[in-house]
Amino acid sequence: SQELEQSPQSLIVQEGKNLTINCTSSKTLYGLYWYKQKYGEGLIFLMMLQKGGEEKSHEKITAKLDEKKQQSSLHITASQPSHAGIYLCGADRTADKLIFGTGTRLQVFP
Amino acid sequence: ETGVTQSPTHLIKTRGQQVTLRCSSQSGHNTVSWYQQALGQGPQFIFQYYREEENGRGNFPPRFSGLQFPNYSSELNVNALELDDSALYLCASSLDPGADEKLFFGSGTQLSVL
Repeated sequence: SQELEQSPQSLIVQEGKNLTINCTSSKTLYGLYWYKQKYGEGLIFLMMLQKGGEEKSHEKITAKLDEKKQQSSLHITASQPSHAGIYLCGADRTADKLIFGTGTRLQVFP
Repeated sequence: ETGVTQSPTHLIKTRGQQVTLRCSSQSGHNTVSWYQQALGQGPQFIFQYYREEENGRGNFPPRFSGLQFPNYSSELNVNALELDDSALYLCASSLDPGADEKLFFGSGTQLSVL
């Protein structure tokens, strides 16, 4: 089984709708990264969370870290077609050797 | 743009051949990590190089090897290619291993093995 599980695996939403992506770790989380990837391209850094209860926002994207639940959530408010892509959570294991979840594929239709 | 460049962008090889992928780190970054991303999966850590030495390796066979040069650019070599090696290969640079900084990823090399 995957050390980092993401849910849902895929998501199709109408433009303007809110959505949440979850990332759950089977091990203690020390640092949690969120990346976005366009199909077949490199990863674009979104946010890093380190402390339990930490919450960060960038434009319409908010990420939270729940250390006790070993879980992080990524919330997008008023989704736009530009939000479409693959969202990946990554966990710090040793010396920035990140492990990644399998990703959540988001499609936003007008 | 992250400042990390990879070449080539696409490559087609046949089973049994050898391939070399290249990566130029972002300026000032002395650590390079390589990841393999199969279709529909998250990136899997292959290995990391810090100041020209291997600094950690994932669960990949020895036919996956690497090099880091004095200018911190890097190569990933794969010998005896197998069909399952078809994937997007991503290079990421960072300032120091263990630094609490994000990894800067290149756009990847799409390798197809026929």
